[in-house]
Amino acid sequence: SYVLTQPPSVSVAPGQTARISCGGNNFGSKIVHWHQQKPGQAPVLVVYDDSGRPSGIPERFSGSNSGNTATLTISRVEAGDEADYYCLVWDTDSDHWVFGGGTKVTVL
Amino acid sequence: EVQLVESGGGLVRPGGSLRLSCSASGFIFSNYSMNWVRQAPGKGLEWVASISTRSTYIYYADSMKGRFIISRDNSMKSLFLQMNSLRVEDTAIYYCVREFISTRSYYFDYWGQGILVTVSS
Repeated sequence: SYVLTQPPSVSVAPGQTARISCGGNNFGSKIVHWHQQKPGQAPVLVVYDDSGRPSGIPERFSGSNSGNTATLTISRVEAGDEADYYCLVWDTDSDHWVFGGGTKVTVL
Repeated sequence: EVQLVESGGGLVRPGGSLRLSCSASGFIFSNYSMNWVRQAPGKGLEWVASISTRSTYIYYADSMKGRFIISRDNSMKSLFLQMNSLRVEDTAIYYCVREFISTRSYYFDYWGQGILVTVSS
């Protein structure tokens, strides 16, 4: 089955930029979506279709996808951005949705 | 306002069965594919199953195939998950998730609050 790889954790100081990677085999053909999950809450979509931003999501959240890696970038990080972040793709070979293992963002 | 409300969770013995329901409101339910996603305690998100608008296309994660059955009733605006032969490792919060079709792809745009299923003797 298809595997998405994310770093387990990322630490960042307030006001700085956090970058979370997500990769897999033949990744260039995949379209990536990102969800944020705060403790005790349901996930929330923060980026869709590699770089789209849903209404209500701050412009500080952006996404990119090139080569074998997709990246979620959080600019001017705030304490409220502390959460787990998951990448998600549809694997056409298996007809399965696949989540990355998740990255815990800690604001120092 | 889009709302997805799960129900039917609880404690069940290993080998037992449970049926989850998800009641949808605030959108035309029959226009959207729907999914179940779960999260074991302290673990990441795991996709469980997907069902298309008219139940024509149904997909399952490998570990759930043959034990879980996803279904929907568009007239009742409801999504279901019949879980059989439950195992301790099926213990998780189960989320009902709407799938949105964009110009490029499809993605999960709304999640329910989740319902806890505990499998234990």
